Amino acid sequence: GAGVSQSPSNKVTEKGKDVELRCDPISGHTALYWYRQSLGQGLEFLIYFQGNSAPDKSGLPSDRFSAERTGGSVSTLTIQRTQQEDSAVYLCASSLMGMDTQYFGPGTRLTVL
Amino acid sequence: ELKVEQNPLFLSMQEGKNYTIYCNYSTTSDRLYWYRQDPGKSLESLFVLLSNGAVKQEGRLMASLDTKARLSTLHITAAVHDLSATYFCAVDGFRGGSEKLVFGKGTKLTVNP
Repeated sequence: GAGVSQSPSNKVTEKGKDVELRCDPISGHTALYWYRQSLGQGLEFLIYFQGNSAPDKSGLPSDRFSAERTGGSVSTLTIQRTQQEDSAVYLCASSLMGMDTQYFGPGTRLTVL
Repeated sequence: ELKVEQNPLFLSMQEGKNYTIYCNYSTTSDRLYWYRQDPGKSLESLFVLLSNGAVKQEGRLMASLDTKARLSTLHITAAVHDLSATYFCAVDGFRGGSEKLVFGKGTKLTVNP
């Protein structure tokens, strides 16, 4: 079946602009996660959704970052007033429920100029 | 705070040789995962280890878990070039109240002909 999909695959933006990154989880997966991968910091957890609620937002680095999930499916990660340090690959993962194997999407490479 | 350490971070080996990657974690956890990442690609799930003494094998890769030592190993037998990739271990943060995965920094494996 179809895996986790993310769009866009690449995004180049100017410092100070807002960006939206989209994640479509595997159908039927109730848990959805966002991670960020950068050379300096490795793989970092950002936020976890169970259904439409986010019981763990502890990894969001600042209030410029927000995420939502609607209909228990698609999720959007929004970064406002982007900074150069936001440049990274943003990965989305989903699992059947919490505590199951997480399956990762291809990622969105964000470059902030 | 849950921390995961992998070593070595870089591994260059010849085809046909054996080697082991080590993954230590700092606090009790319920599940340990191994993922593979090819350059420019996302993470592919290899193994999930659930209990002390668990051993799983797939082809030339074998993963094991010692929960008492908080140590997992990924053993590579008779390496081939196709195994060249970055390997990550990850531990779930459930006992700390989170469903997130905490990743090691990854081991970049290069298998030379």
